[in-house]
Amino acid sequence: LAKTTQPISMDSYEGQEVNITCSHNNIATNDYITWYQQFPSQGPRFIIQGYKTKVTNEVASLFIPADRKSSTLSLPRVSLSDTAVYYCLGNLRGGGNNRKLIWGLGTSLAVNP
Amino acid sequence: EPEVTQTPSHQVTQMGQEVILRCVPISNHLYFYWYRQILGQKVEFLVSFYNNEISEKSEIFDDQFSVERPDGSNFTLKIRSTKLEDSAMYFCASAAGNEKLFFGSGTQLSVL
Repeated sequence: LAKTTQPISMDSYEGQEVNITCSHNNIATNDYITWYQQFPSQGPRFIIQGYKTKVTNEVASLFIPADRKSSTLSLPRVSLSDTAVYYCLGNLRGGGNNRKLIWGLGTSLAVNP
Repeated sequence: EPEVTQTPSHQVTQMGQEVILRCVPISNHLYFYWYRQILGQKVEFLVSFYNNEISEKSEIFDDQFSVERPDGSNFTLKIRSTKLEDSAMYFCASAAGNEKLFFGSGTQLSVL
């Protein structure tokens, strides 16, 4: 399972685009990258996942370059309610019955008015 | 969107007492998990459960911990003799078989 490194904290303002980069230098061929969001006193919530190139959903975009040693979560036009901790995780792709996720400390994003 | 529900939201107990944390996973999910998070620290994996048996457990999940799926809908975590260091937020999660985990809102366990 890939060990991931991401900034401890970031600040932004309402309406701005926020990009959070995660490095995962030892990512394995079978690993894919998943991002979760966590508000205080709540369980993590799945945002997006990808294996390579770009993935977009209604919440965010995920960019993974060809070498897959990093990934960038992009949040368009953040609002105050996007203030949360964002986790980048590597876990095994498909198959099996093990979805153990290895969590870091995440990136604490503060969105200011 | 379907939800994982956990009860109680808060549990206060005395050291040495047994506690049971309850979870109702999403109905068609097959994979079940318990994680915990001590205040200000990382989310830690405890155990994964599939096909009515433990798939994997961490070193935290020692003999004081056990899991059960007693009736096909509930998924419980039991701590037989709680210690002060068991105080944490405990999260249940479930998955359908793809890689997306759905987490409950957690049970805050306080051991006095």
